[in-house]
Amino acid sequence: DAGITQSPRHKVTETGTPVTLRCHQTENHRYMYWYRQDPGHGLRLIHYSYGVKDTDKGEVSDGYSVSRSKTEDFLLTLESATSSQTSVYFCAISEGGSSSPLHFGNGTRLTVT
Amino acid sequence: RKEVEQDPGPFNVPEGATVAFNCTYSNSASQSFFWYRQDCRKEPKLLMSVYSSGNEDGRFTAQLNRASQYISLLIRDSKLSDSATYLCVVNIGSNDMRFGAGTRLTVKP
Repeated sequence: DAGITQSPRHKVTETGTPVTLRCHQTENHRYMYWYRQDPGHGLRLIHYSYGVKDTDKGEVSDGYSVSRSKTEDFLLTLESATSSQTSVYFCAISEGGSSSPLHFGNGTRLTVT
Repeated sequence: RKEVEQDPGPFNVPEGATVAFNCTYSNSASQSFFWYRQDCRKEPKLLMSVYSSGNEDGRFTAQLNRASQYISLLIRDSKLSDSATYLCVVNIGSNDMRFGAGTRLTVKP
């Protein structure tokens, strides 16, 4: 299995509080991604990174920011959590290129009350 | 219209059965295609890539039909351990992967 670690695995937080999720990889892959998964929807891309300090928005980026200061770490921040951000968040990595598949971390379950 | 659409199922089949899933995609410029498997409360895991000529991996066969914009997954001789949700994934370019919502399969003894 790809060396991807997400933390925390579970988090409950209150509306309006900031939350940061961490993804750590040991594969030295260039690309890192944050997805969210909700019932009835496929995984949806929030943000991705194509290198240190290089990030771009995905299809559901509103309310989220990311940072990548090292190749191995990709942080997802909810500046002011809302109940609509209750979801399962997956980090993924890939070597890049259209034929490269994604490899996922084991997810973070976030509940915003 | 969603970028990638799958029949959500559930598909309930007996052990040993053959089952097939289809997935349609809307972007004709899509470049690469994958099937993932996701167990309950777990992360998606790559099952197989889908190549233009079709490809097989043991009991699993994937096909791509670019003209009709769909991909398929065939599972032969189903095992109890095949019970999972199967996700269709399409790369529409620039590392932009789009996921179907998944097809749930239950294999029963």
